[in-house]
Amino acid sequence: EIVLTQSPATLSLSPGERATLSCRASQSVGSYLAWYQQKPGQAPRLLIYDASHRATGIPARFSGSGSGTDFTLSISSLEPEDFAVYYCQQRSNWPLTFGGGTKVEIK
Amino acid sequence: QVQLVQSGAEVKKPGASVKVSCKASGYTFTSYDINWVRQATGQGLEWMGWMNPNSGNTGYAQKFQGRVTMTRNTSISTAYMELNSLRSEDTAVYFCTRTWDYWGQGSLVTVSS
Repeated sequence: EIVLTQSPATLSLSPGERATLSCRASQSVGSYLAWYQQKPGQAPRLLIYDASHRATGIPARFSGSGSGTDFTLSISSLEPEDFAVYYCQQRSNWPLTFGGGTKVEIK
Repeated sequence: QVQLVQSGAEVKKPGASVKVSCKASGYTFTSYDINWVRQATGQGLEWMGWMNPNSGNTGYAQKFQGRVTMTRNTSISTAYMELNSLRSEDTAVYFCTRTWDYWGQGSLVTVSS
């Protein structure tokens, strides 16, 4: 099973700052990496698929990069609604797996 | 608009079974895969398995093999996930998702004696 390690576990930032979240895979997943945002009591929301493609309706401040084993989700300028938990997911190999999450909190 | 509406919360005793439903609307049910994901309170996301609503083909994470069954009723555009031999560790919110872009609201399953 492919293990996804997200870092940092918590990111404390202020609105307007840039957020950079990391996801590292235990083996190559090619570009089959997705990112989700989840707020308390809600289902996850797809942000990025295939490493760098924004899902429908996702603002341009969200961007994804990387391939192989190292991936990054960037939020160029944090809006109040962006404070949430972010998960990466690999769809390269079964079982599909998720990272442990990064919580982006207000500093 | 695309919607996935799941069944309500359930409380089950250890050893029992639970069947969660996921009713789809706003699109052609048989055209998109359905995946099931669960999340224990305060924990991360865990993929359980996949179903093709058109063919009925399924694939399950090895962790759940033998305990989970995913089915569908195309006449009412509804997918089902049944989990057997429940234990306390199965207490979680269970989500269905249409190819990861649309998600149900989640169904809380509590396993407690």
